Amino acid sequence: EAGVTQFPSHSVIEKGQTVTLRCDPISGHDNLYWYRRVMGKEIKFLLHFVKESKQDESGMPNNRFLAERTGGTYSTLKVQPAELEDSGVYFCASSNRDRASSYEQYFGPGTRLTVT
Amino acid sequence: EDQVTQSPEALRLQEGESSSLNCSYTVSGLRGLFWYRQDPGKGPEFLFTLYSAGEEKEKERLKATLTKKESFLHITAPKPEDSATYLCAVSRGSARQLTFGSGTQLTVLP
Repeated sequence: EAGVTQFPSHSVIEKGQTVTLRCDPISGHDNLYWYRRVMGKEIKFLLHFVKESKQDESGMPNNRFLAERTGGTYSTLKVQPAELEDSGVYFCASSNRDRASSYEQYFGPGTRLTVT
Repeated sequence: EDQVTQSPEALRLQEGESSSLNCSYTVSGLRGLFWYRQDPGKGPEFLFTLYSAGEEKEKERLKATLTKKESFLHITAPKPEDSATYLCAVSRGSARQLTFGSGTQLTVLP
């Protein structure tokens, strides 16, 4: 079974530019999550999708961040315009719909975003 | 606000030298406590979920335990390949978001 995949693995952009990160969850997983870790800090929650619906977006830092999950499959996270403080590693995770194990989240390798 | 504190920040062990990592948590209505392993440049790898005080889980040289205030990850006779950062996280109530600690960086020397 393929794990969570993320693209790109690394992105370097200038302040003010736009970047779009992509996440493909484990096949069949209805729950999809975005997290990020900025330098020296803990991994922080951004938002949670159930299928194509945003279940919880309480961790989104501001309106420069837009997440979508069209069709309930892959998800994109767009940062527009990017600021220096957006630099960090963005992780995607997914969990399945089965109630017993739906809290167990499986993470992708992350996208390292560097804003210069 | 949920809080997760891990100690020590870093731990160096000789191969075969058993030890424990600590995760203290403050959360209202704990739903689950999770242990992950993270290797450099990779995403967190799921290890265990613990749901209630007194619960224990084991996997190879690792054993996780849970009380009402903390969790321990016991490493028995570690090998160099166990070197990694070990992360603890909690979820609360019906919310699925995880709150992470800062991790313990474990180095096992041959």
